[in-house]
Amino acid sequence: QQQVKQSPQSLIVQKGGISIINCAYENTAFDYFPWYQQFPGKGPALLIAIRPDVSEKKEGRFTISFNKSAKQFSLHIMDSQPGDSATYFCASDFSGSARQLTFGSGTQLTVLP
Amino acid sequence: DAGVTQSPTHLIKTRGQHVTLRCSPISGHKSVSWYQQVLGQGPQFIFQYYEKEERGRGNFPDRFSARQFPNYSSELNVNALLLGDSALYLCASSLRAGGVDTQYFGPGTRLTVL
Repeated sequence: QQQVKQSPQSLIVQKGGISIINCAYENTAFDYFPWYQQFPGKGPALLIAIRPDVSEKKEGRFTISFNKSAKQFSLHIMDSQPGDSATYFCASDFSGSARQLTFGSGTQLTVLP
Repeated sequence: DAGVTQSPTHLIKTRGQHVTLRCSPISGHKSVSWYQQVLGQGPQFIFQYYEKEERGRGNFPDRFSARQFPNYSSELNVNALLLGDSALYLCASSLRAGGVDTQYFGPGTRLTVL
């Protein structure tokens, strides 16, 4: 079964700190790795995504680091803010003719003021 | 612009009943995907439809079915409901069937099976 393993399950960070969430995938055919942010009562929203041809992608305070040989990728949230408190999901997909996101189990992030 | 819309917002059914969930994609999007999100877990892929044709099916029983209409809206049907079908059902739309187009998710339909 194609799995994406995500850790930690929950994370508490002080305002201004760095939040780090890790994911590992099994299927080497995956070639698209997005991170989604979900607030209570809302659907997931795309935060940032990376393809395996680059090792890092940065958008504002959010950075994805990608290690193809280890089949791991991580999300770093710099200068974490209370408004970042949400559940974060990593996912993996194929960029072929159909879409089938495989999600991790989620990380509940709490940023303390 | 309106995002992905889903109806109803909440639904309560009893075991053995049938349910129909509806989704309207973002204007111009031709692909609709359905996901099931059990409380405390990540979404699980159920179906993808593109131009009214099924493009992908996840590991769900035949009690689950879906279809896409000419206006690209979609319905998810679940027959013979089980307690384990209680979940948030998410619809996502994108421009194309494949590639790396962003998938935009709706707010979901919360289904409770008693």
